[in-house]
Amino acid sequence: DTAVSQTPKYLVTQMGNDKSIKCEQNLGHDTMYWYKQDSKKFLKIMFSYNNKELIINETVPNRFSPKSPDKAHLNLHINSLELGDSAVYFCASSQKVLGQKNEKLFFGSGTQLSVL
Amino acid sequence: QKEVEQNSGPLSVPEGAIASLNCTYSDRGSQSFFWYRQYSGKSPELIMFIYSNGDKEDGRFTAQLNKASQYVSLLIRDSQPSDSATYLCAVNMGTGGFKTIFGAGTRLFVKA
Repeated sequence: DTAVSQTPKYLVTQMGNDKSIKCEQNLGHDTMYWYKQDSKKFLKIMFSYNNKELIINETVPNRFSPKSPDKAHLNLHINSLELGDSAVYFCASSQKVLGQKNEKLFFGSGTQLSVL
Repeated sequence: QKEVEQNSGPLSVPEGAIASLNCTYSDRGSQSFFWYRQYSGKSPELIMFIYSNGDKEDGRFTAQLNKASQYVSLLIRDSQPSDSATYLCAVNMGTGGFKTIFGAGTRLFVKA
């Protein structure tokens, strides 16, 4: 049973289109994230939600809109897709344990987005 | 200055050797430090975490942290071809500990 699952795995689309990526975790975690990994493999945080509340919003174009209907789901909608949006988008989740400092991330398998 | 810096490599070691991966970070207030392994076409997976100065060992892996020097390293003993992957250094910073910043990763090749 997959812990963090995201769909679709591959997404090929034309410039200017709107697309969505969905993510679900069954780990019972409170926090979910979207990361973008570019062609140079650099993994950059985009958004984070904790218990459905947006807590991290990096300098991402407002064409990107995350939505968390509940703490187990985090979706990413992208409007007016551009060539530069081509990347692998990873969903992740974590649980902050009382008394511990660390935030271990559990990643989904990624969505390869190709904008033509 | 990048927040988390790693040598992109590639780092090539023979099978059975020790692979040494290094990372520096810029935020002195960082509390938690992680090493993730990412195979080509796969997602990152956590292999080590450390938050106190010194060494932490887990099997063939040892993580080392020096907060004064803002330096984290990962040693892989008895390297195997299956260890060939990109190793991502990650640092947890920011209010509430929710923001984890990744380095660009070091590609490791272990030659049989």
